[in-house]
Amino acid sequence: QSALTQEASVSGTVGQMVTLSCTGNSNNIGSYGVGWYQQISHGVPKTVMFGNSLPSGIPDRFSGSQSGTTASLTISGLQPEDEADYYCSTWDYSLTAWVFGGGTKLTVL
Amino acid sequence: QVHLVESGGGVVQPGGSLRLSCAASGFTFRDFGMHWVRHVPGKGLEWVASIRHDGSHKNYADSVKGRFTISRDNFKSTLYLQMNSLGGEDTAVFYCAKEIGTGPTNFFYYYMDVWGKGTTVTVSS
Repeated sequence: QSALTQEASVSGTVGQMVTLSCTGNSNNIGSYGVGWYQQISHGVPKTVMFGNSLPSGIPDRFSGSQSGTTASLTISGLQPEDEADYYCSTWDYSLTAWVFGGGTKLTVL
Repeated sequence: QVHLVESGGGVVQPGGSLRLSCAASGFTFRDFGMHWVRHVPGKGLEWVASIRHDGSHKNYADSVKGRFTISRDNFKSTLYLQMNSLGGEDTAVFYCAKEIGTGPTNFFYYYMDVWGKGTTVTVSS
């Protein structure tokens, strides 16, 4: 069982806004920034957000936020190429380990 | 441009060993922490190990502690993962990832930044 909890699946239509959530506790999300990683068809992971900062080359329809022990990744103006598995991750000082969520499969209808 | 290239994967029998390498280029390797992360087919991403920029501190997932050793050679800009006592549960694609620290003063945190293309480890008799 993952230390971070994500929805198993989320779907949306092209152009829609979707929000993926990542819930942890005070030892992880409550204390550290959360990274979001996109994996298309089980390929190479790509970083799409660190905290609320966009890596270079990531479209600005991606945005991130954190409040308390929950982090969110919002994709506005959903595109077909956004269909992927999305993972959240952060450091957990109680476990002294980096932790990943179980991943959310985003389907673009 | 940052580039990470993993190598060393392959098929190994249960109980065997492998050493993975990750050759880095396009950035000052000695200034950044590094990670190994694996993806098990049909499952999610799992963090394996991390090492500070100067090799002074290492952390491991419980699932690999005592069996895997992360190390680095800052002169060769290369990250390593020595894997011993391999079992079927270690079958995965292993990725190395560069770390980045970013954020305002009171909210300066670390994240995985750039990823290599991965190397496949298959443990099978």
